[in-house]
Amino acid sequence: EIVLTQSPGTLSLSPGERATLSCRASQSVSSSYLAWYQQKPGQAPRLLMYGASSRATGIPDRFSGSGSGTDFTLTISRLEPEDFAVYYCQQYGSSPETFGQGTKVEIK
Amino acid sequence: EVQLVESGGGLVKPGGSLRLSCAASGFTFSNAWMSWVRQAPGKGLEWVGRIKSKTDGGTTDYAAPVKGRFTISRDDSKNTLYLQMNSLKTEDTAVYYCSTGTYYYDAGAYYEFWGQGTLVTVSS
Repeated sequence: EIVLTQSPGTLSLSPGERATLSCRASQSVSSSYLAWYQQKPGQAPRLLMYGASSRATGIPDRFSGSGSGTDFTLTISRLEPEDFAVYYCQQYGSSPETFGQGTKVEIK
Repeated sequence: EVQLVESGGGLVKPGGSLRLSCAASGFTFSNAWMSWVRQAPGKGLEWVGRIKSKTDGGTTDYAAPVKGRFTISRDDSKNTLYLQMNSLKTEDTAVYYCSTGTYYYDAGAYYEFWGQGTLVTVSS
């Protein structure tokens, strides 16, 4: 199975700053079938991105995704207070689909 | 509006069984492929398994840690998804989410819709 490694584990930033989250796969992700989710405490995950760079419905354009092969990035251009959360990447190009261990974006 | 509502979680002893339900509304459930994803306390997300629509064969696929112990089924007349969990282990303790989204045949899916989750605790 494809193992996804996210870095850093925790990102401490201030509102207004730029956040760059990394997701590295143990082998190439087929057709860039990579998604990103946001999760806040006590809530279900929320889909942000799919296909590595396509925003899900209703997701603001401060969120962007990029990458291919084994290296993917989620960028939040300017952090809003509601963006502080845990972010997970997921590959769905091969079975079993797998998730990264998460990156927590916390307020500095 | 798509709604997924899980129920059936609770405390169960190791070796015991539990059946989770997920009531779906707001979409044509019979046409949907459905999945279960779990999250152990303080941990990340883990795919559990999925079931295809009956028109696509209704077959199931499971993650290795649960294969042979968990069974996913559906009742399209009740718009309900089930997860039968047998021979439960302490490491099965998690919040279990019902989810659906866009599936790629025999690969995986990204999930646009999630339930609120139901907590299963396996402990003596």
